[in-house]
Amino acid sequence: DSGVTQTPKHLITATGQRVTLRCSPRSGDLSVYWYQQSLDQGLQFLIQYYNGEERAKGNILERFSAQQFPDLHSELNLSSLELGDSALYFCASSVGSGSITDTQYFGPGTRLTVL
Amino acid sequence: AQSVTQLGSHVSVSEGALVLLRCNYSSSVPPYLFWYVQYPNQGLQLLLKYTSAATLVKGINGFEAEFKKSETSFHLTKPSAHMSDAAEYFCAVSRGGYSTLTFGKGTMLLVSP
Repeated sequence: DSGVTQTPKHLITATGQRVTLRCSPRSGDLSVYWYQQSLDQGLQFLIQYYNGEERAKGNILERFSAQQFPDLHSELNLSSLELGDSALYFCASSVGSGSITDTQYFGPGTRLTVL
Repeated sequence: AQSVTQLGSHVSVSEGALVLLRCNYSSSVPPYLFWYVQYPNQGLQLLLKYTSAATLVKGINGFEAEFKKSETSFHLTKPSAHMSDAAEYFCAVSRGGYSTLTFGKGTMLLVSP
């Protein structure tokens, strides 16, 4: 158990809908990262938040957005869902702002299925 | 631009045999290199990372990897496979910071008794 929690574990929805994925980092960790793992694209970095502020952006679609709240939990919002958005979405956390000297801990993931 | 190539989407070994998972990288700057393991229905776990200190890096669960600049490789090895090593392994490269991590496609390690 990494200490990073993600809810829900599974989510099934329809095209065009909007969903919210939630992540709670390990106690004391200030950075939260979101990744997408799909059969087509593999594992891709989406976005990072550090202490409530957006720190870095990767291959995140405009239909997706995220935020980190004062209690440091984070939410990833996916809207106008398409079949291709079906994937495993991972959250990870680290103590610092994303330096390689940090260790990054991954949650168990949320499996999103868009029908 | 940076990338990693993992040779072989599946590798099969017998229990007790040597494990060798191959990773070659491409990076325009001195890279940081990582190996992660993903067990079924779980998130990724860091096995080891190279951050330009020693070229031979020891990780958890008996795994190690050697950075070879001349070969642009960072292969993962374990002397003796255990059934519990069956999982998917990802090589990743960064030019600095986790936000620049680029992952390979993954190699599924199958261990037979």
